[in-house]
Amino acid sequence: AQSVTQLGSHVSVSEGALVLLRCNYSSSVPPYLFWYVQYPNQGLQLLLKYTSAATLVKGINGFEAEFKKSETSFHLTKPSAHMSDAAEYFCAVDRSGSARQLTFGSGTQLTVLP
Amino acid sequence: NAGVTQTPKFQVLKTGQSMTLQCAQDMNHNSMYWYRQDPGMGLRLIYYSASEGTTDKGEVPNGYNVSRLNKREFSLRLESAAPSQTSVYFCASSPGGDLDTQYFGPGTRLTVL
Repeated sequence: AQSVTQLGSHVSVSEGALVLLRCNYSSSVPPYLFWYVQYPNQGLQLLLKYTSAATLVKGINGFEAEFKKSETSFHLTKPSAHMSDAAEYFCAVDRSGSARQLTFGSGTQLTVLP
Repeated sequence: NAGVTQTPKFQVLKTGQSMTLQCAQDMNHNSMYWYRQDPGMGLRLIYYSASEGTTDKGEVPNGYNVSRLNKREFSLRLESAAPSQTSVYFCASSPGGDLDTQYFGPGTRLTVL
């Protein structure tokens, strides 16, 4: 069964510092992978997705993620954190091959310090 | 466009009571989903509807029923609520093609006493 593991339930960075949120997946075949963001009291919003085209995927709000098959990782990065990036971030893997059955990680709460 | 809307926003039930969570989308999407979100566990898929007239079980369907009323609306019913169903419930929709982005509603916070 496919699953994702997010290392670190809470991450704090200073404004302007690099953001690195970790996600590792377990899958017997190359998966489809997603990062979603959830702002307080809102639903989830797609940041980016990997669908086996380019291994470096660029998303919204300056975020990007790199698919590394050898490390079974799909870590999310942003060069310079902004206060508005404070939110919870979820990595997800597709179970069905059609992105209709997503399995989500447990989430990482990002705090941005002034 | 309102996107995906959910009602109610909050609900408190007693064990054994029933209720229906409503979800509607105005984006002409074919596929709709129901998830639950519990602390420290991420989101888990309860049921989904790939297109109008079809529904399929997700990861945690026990204790729930769904109805795809029409293309716009997808409801989730708890026939006999249990404390284990205390959670935040999210509805989502997607256009219906493979690898489409899912768009989420704001959620319903349900507490079962």
